[in-house]
Amino acid sequence: QKEVEQNSGPLSVPEGAIASLNCTYSDRGSQSFFWYRQYSGKSPELIMSIYSNGDKEDGRFTAQLNKASQYVSLLIRDSQPSDSATYLCAVSIQGGSEKLVFGKGTKLTVNP
Amino acid sequence: DAGITQSPRYKITETGRQVTLMCHQTWSHSYMFWYRQDLGHGLRLIYYSAAADITDKGEVPDGYVVSRSKTENFPLTLESATRSQTSVYFCAAEGRAKNIQYFGAGTRLSVL
Repeated sequence: QKEVEQNSGPLSVPEGAIASLNCTYSDRGSQSFFWYRQYSGKSPELIMSIYSNGDKEDGRFTAQLNKASQYVSLLIRDSQPSDSATYLCAVSIQGGSEKLVFGKGTKLTVNP
Repeated sequence: DAGITQSPRYKITETGRQVTLMCHQTWSHSYMFWYRQDLGHGLRLIYYSAAADITDKGEVPDGYVVSRSKTENFPLTLESATRSQTSVYFCAAEGRAKNIQYFGAGTRLSVL
């Protein structure tokens, strides 16, 4: 059973701070890694994708991947109250017919 | 994104009844997925489809049936609903980039 683990939180940060979200995965063959944001009562929305080791930056968001450690992280700089949501880590399955395995999510609250 | 429409948005039914949840995509993306999301379990894959007339089981397929006679439609049927199937159901489709999934708005199902 392929697994993706995330701290459930809740993670609380003050406005303007850096929020750090972490994810580990069990399938060494995974090649694609994603972060989805899900507001309460809404559907998951893709915010970042990363495929190779290192950092990928998009605006205030930075995704970090370390395949040797099987670790993915998401940094949110200058956190805003509108960033308050649950963040889902998703990982592709090697030979898995386009399937993704999702973590249970980390709930982030950004306090004004 | 894939322009995914789910219907109904909300459904209340009784145990033992058959229920069909609809999913329609405006694009002709090949892969489509059905997930359920429950507190404490995150997103779990029920069934997925690689193309019309090609479907396969996911992590939690028991009690569900799918069909895909047309590329754009992927209905999910609960043959005899049980209370344990009370959940939020999301349909997703893979976009142009490999493994990137886009989600519909979801169907909140209550089985009484």
